[in-house]
Amino acid sequence: DGGITQSPKYLFRKEGQNVTLSCEQNLNHDAMYWYRQDPGQGLRLIYYSQIVNDFQKGDIAEGYSVSREKKESFPLTVTSAQKNPTAFYLCASSIDPRGELFFGEGSRLTVL
Amino acid sequence: RKEVEQDPGPFNVPEGATVAFNCTYSNSASQSFFWYRQDCRKEPKLLMSVYSSGNEDGRFTAQLNRASQYISLLIRDSKLSDSATYLCVVLPDTGRRALTFGSGTRLQVQP
Repeated sequence: DGGITQSPKYLFRKEGQNVTLSCEQNLNHDAMYWYRQDPGQGLRLIYYSQIVNDFQKGDIAEGYSVSREKKESFPLTVTSAQKNPTAFYLCASSIDPRGELFFGEGSRLTVL
Repeated sequence: RKEVEQDPGPFNVPEGATVAFNCTYSNSASQSFFWYRQDCRKEPKLLMSVYSSGNEDGRFTAQLNRASQYISLLIRDSKLSDSATYLCVVLPDTGRRALTFGSGTRLQVQP
């Protein structure tokens, strides 16, 4: 079955630690995205990538970094510079930015 | 002003009711419009795209009003299983090739 896999599903980290969230897709989609969702809020765009080896900042990129070395993979690193990292992180992909987004099941990060 | 604005609700309606949600967007050159559904603590899933001529999918009808820059979603004969948060989503024509999400409208259908 084609889809998007995010891991881990739940992650706890201490303040000052970097963590990397994995996102893998086997849909052969060119575009991939990372969104953040806080309780009672919509999704906010962190980073997106239209093609391998290229990515752009979204609305809230500060404190985050990404890489796109392979078409299938778009990992997100939450650095210690991110002031309020506790949130629900969603990875998505699409054939085209105008089309349907396919989401992974999300990763819940809690900073202790 | 937010790019996409929705009434957060919650909308509490009885089973069988008809309920409508509106969403406004700020960029008049926005290109694509969608409604996504998100269940509690789950990922969003596409409910339907919104076309200029309006479109219907079973009990769901979506409308786009470009002049007034709003999108609507009508749900007829509400079911308990319709309880969820409905997210209005727009592709703004800002050069950024990524969808912008509203904060969502929560619907609770009661028996």
